[in-house]
Amino acid sequence: DAGITQSPRHKVTETGTPVTLRCHQTENHRYMYWYRQDPGHGLRLIHYSYGVKDTDKGEVSDGYSVSRSKTEDFLLTLESATSSQTSVYFCAISGNPGTGSNYGYTFGSGTRLTVV
Amino acid sequence: QKEVEQDPGPLSVPEGAIVSLNCTYSNSAFQYFMWYRQYSRKGPELLMYTYSSGNKEDGRFTAQVDKSSKYISLFIRDSQPSDSATYLCAMSDSPGGGNKLTFGTGTQLKVEL
Repeated sequence: DAGITQSPRHKVTETGTPVTLRCHQTENHRYMYWYRQDPGHGLRLIHYSYGVKDTDKGEVSDGYSVSRSKTEDFLLTLESATSSQTSVYFCAISGNPGTGSNYGYTFGSGTRLTVV
Repeated sequence: QKEVEQDPGPLSVPEGAIVSLNCTYSNSAFQYFMWYRQYSRKGPELLMYTYSSGNKEDGRFTAQVDKSSKYISLFIRDSQPSDSATYLCAMSDSPGGGNKLTFGTGTQLKVEL
């Protein structure tokens, strides 16, 4: 999607290895989110950020960490990948309150991660 | 019980049919309701956004919210094969900009020629 890119698009990794996924935005939005999407569960929030160096946990944060050192970049790290973390990961951004662009989220195209 | 329930489908309809997609929810604090469309191997894209109860129309799409019944709907008129996708409902207790959305699991729709 325009304004938000995720990398890599696909990754296969081995159990026990660390993995970092990157989300990059060019919209200068304050809020960024990491979700995972699994059949039967839908989209579940892993972590989110409300500014540089300001992050908080979502509902499925165990085994994940995040960092945001610049407005435009939000990194998701799987500290020691497990097979249960095989999923599609989506990054999303939302606009700043009061700007008129704060309705809903804009999602990236996703990263398909397989842990073997 | 999940906060937001959505029938996963799949729902298969002929081209030109009227499609009705629905979600129910349990959290009475939800006031902001959204529908996202997700094509295969793509990210969700915002389709409709409504606040509180009532109807909102945008072209062939109508979103309807009934807060008293905790029930929201998306209607698609004159459905087209290009409407084939998964439709996710989402809701929040606060407007955008830092709000956390709760999503339904999505309904897979196929519109056949």
